[in-house]
Amino acid sequence: QVQLVQSGAEVKKPGASVKVSCKASGYTFTGYYMHWVRQAPGQGLEWMGWINPNSGGTNYAQKFQGWVTMTRDASISTAYLELSSLKSDDTAVYYCARSRQWLHWFDPWGQGTLVTVSS
Amino acid sequence: EIVLTQSPGTLSLSPGERATLSCRASQSVSSSYLAWYQQKCGQAPRLLIYGASSRATGIPDRFSGSGSGTDFTLTISRLEPEDFAVYYCQQYGSSPWTFGQGTKVEIK
Repeated sequence: QVQLVQSGAEVKKPGASVKVSCKASGYTFTGYYMHWVRQAPGQGLEWMGWINPNSGGTNYAQKFQGWVTMTRDASISTAYLELSSLKSDDTAVYYCARSRQWLHWFDPWGQGTLVTVSS
Repeated sequence: EIVLTQSPGTLSLSPGERATLSCRASQSVSSSYLAWYQQKCGQAPRLLIYGASSRATGIPDRFSGSGSGTDFTLTISRLEPEDFAVYYCQQYGSSPWTFGQGTKVEIK
């Protein structure tokens, strides 16, 4: 079955960077887009951007441009989200989620990775 | 950016009752590119509806979506105990893709 499995929880200090992984299985990795969505504690969902695993092309929400980088390694069907210059309000659960190329509803989702930023 | 406003914020109902959730967009959502998700505590969201009215694979037919333009509705015909959760709408007609703030359906 189609599955997205994310890396484990991280604790980082302010100003540090973190890289979260999302390993896909059960489908052709390069045939679908991968999105990242974050959810701060007790809050709603916020779309961060997508990567086209086939070409490596990306599209970031304006809020995340310049400090978020999405990459992929198609040889191991894994997408990555790197966050730099972390601040305390970046503490959140980060989800990866798959979409079709032109129809960006999200299904399925990874289980989420909690990133805690604390001094 | 399209802003989605969900109402009510919380819906208190009993099992077996009908739930009607609203999602209103600040501008028209092209081609009815609107999805609904269910999120239970501590879990990732799950896709329920896409294209405003198409049920995702494996979703029971008590869940239905309707609407177009700026007004969309998710209806749960008869609430089951496992349906008490938070529900989000999301538009994917215009980048950036945006979510509503969520409606919590709680047991009365």
